[in-house]
Amino acid sequence: EPEVTQTPSHQVTQMGQEVILRCVPISNHLYFYWYRQILGQKVEFLVSFYNNEISEKSEIFDDQFSVERPDGSNFTLKIRSTKLEDSAMYFCASRPYRDRSQGYFGPGTRLTVT
Amino acid sequence: SQKIEQNSEALNIQEGKTATLTCNYTNYSPAYLQWYRQDPGRGPVFLLLIRENEKEKRKERLKVTFDTTLKQSLFHITASQPADSATYLCALDSGAAGNKLTFGGGTRVLVKP
Repeated sequence: EPEVTQTPSHQVTQMGQEVILRCVPISNHLYFYWYRQILGQKVEFLVSFYNNEISEKSEIFDDQFSVERPDGSNFTLKIRSTKLEDSAMYFCASRPYRDRSQGYFGPGTRLTVT
Repeated sequence: SQKIEQNSEALNIQEGKTATLTCNYTNYSPAYLQWYRQDPGRGPVFLLLIRENEKEKRKERLKVTFDTTLKQSLFHITASQPADSATYLCALDSGAAGNKLTFGGGTRVLVKP
């Protein structure tokens, strides 16, 4: 069964550094998402992406964040200058156009900012 | 502001019994309500989706009800098994094109043999 994959599984970075989290969505999916989950807290929406542009973004998704689908297969989340509070699990998700379910979450990247 | 509440206390249940979880929401009119399972350190796994005009949905041992008047969904796991032990998340979908999901905090279920 097709899966969403994410790399790396764990990223440690120093405060102020840039990080890029990578995702490979399921190949025929058209909507792509990033969510995050701070330890012990809710899964929070960051951004949705369709037709090579952002569909919706949350208040969390400020100017420090950006997304890109550079080559038709990868979907990346960049954090320009990481803060301690960016430490969280980051989940990528994708879905087909007609299917409202969003059951296609990746395994996540654990980001630790020191 | 929108609020989604799930019982934050863990639900301990004996194997074979039915687990019932609650999801309440305020200041929201979701077009769809979804339930996910999350194991520690893993991503959410989709279980069931129910539309605003549906009252009940079933899938194997799982059943979901949706009452838009009460602004509540109930999630049932019948004949529970130790393998059902996990955190269960409800998520609301406004139906907008972006399909943003708003998650509740989840309820941890522990099924004892």
